[in-house]
Amino acid sequence: DTAVSQTPKYLVTQMGNDKSIKCEQNLGHDTMYWYKQDSKKFLKIMFSYNNKELIINETVPNRFSPKSPDKAHLNLHINSLELGDSAVYFCASSQETTGSPSTYFGPGTRLTVT
Amino acid sequence: KNEVEQSPQNLTAQEGEFITINCSYSVGISALHWLQQHPGGGIVSLFMLSSGKKKHGRLIATINIQEKHSSLHITASHPRDSAVYICAVGSPDKLIFGTGTRLQVFP
Repeated sequence: DTAVSQTPKYLVTQMGNDKSIKCEQNLGHDTMYWYKQDSKKFLKIMFSYNNKELIINETVPNRFSPKSPDKAHLNLHINSLELGDSAVYFCASSQETTGSPSTYFGPGTRLTVT
Repeated sequence: KNEVEQSPQNLTAQEGEFITINCSYSVGISALHWLQQHPGGGIVSLFMLSSGKKKHGRLIATINIQEKHSSLHITASHPRDSAVYICAVGSPDKLIFGTGTRLQVFP
């Protein structure tokens, strides 16, 4: 069973469009995240969200907004897409725990803006 | 200078060799993560540690909090270990990532 899933896997769209990437986790975790990996393969956190608090990385443009219909889902909505938004976006989830890795990553969504 | 530095950036090895990847950080942390990114792009979390040493199969991760340094070791390396290994520090909502170490293991 897939722990963290994302759709779509690939997304090609034109500048100015609005698009969403969906993320679902079946681990019962309280907290979910979105990360962006740029062309240099550098990962950066964009958002973290649990049912109490949304934490936004201050470098993220407000064209990006996370939407959580329920605890198992955290979708990423992007308005007015720009060329520089082209990247791979990873969803992840975690639960406070000790011992084994507690952060699980989705497979990634490769977004290409033309 | 990045807050999380990894070395080496690129590493090639022959199958069976012992591999060490290093991570140094300059910020206070609650935990350090080692991640593996496969050629297809998927990311797998290998270890989360805040002290000492952990072992999983052929992988060993150590951390020295005083020296702000961690190492990831791979014993008896295999071509399937070829991937990018990423160190990340902090709590999940404030993870700071290293730029990764690209490992290629040849048969």
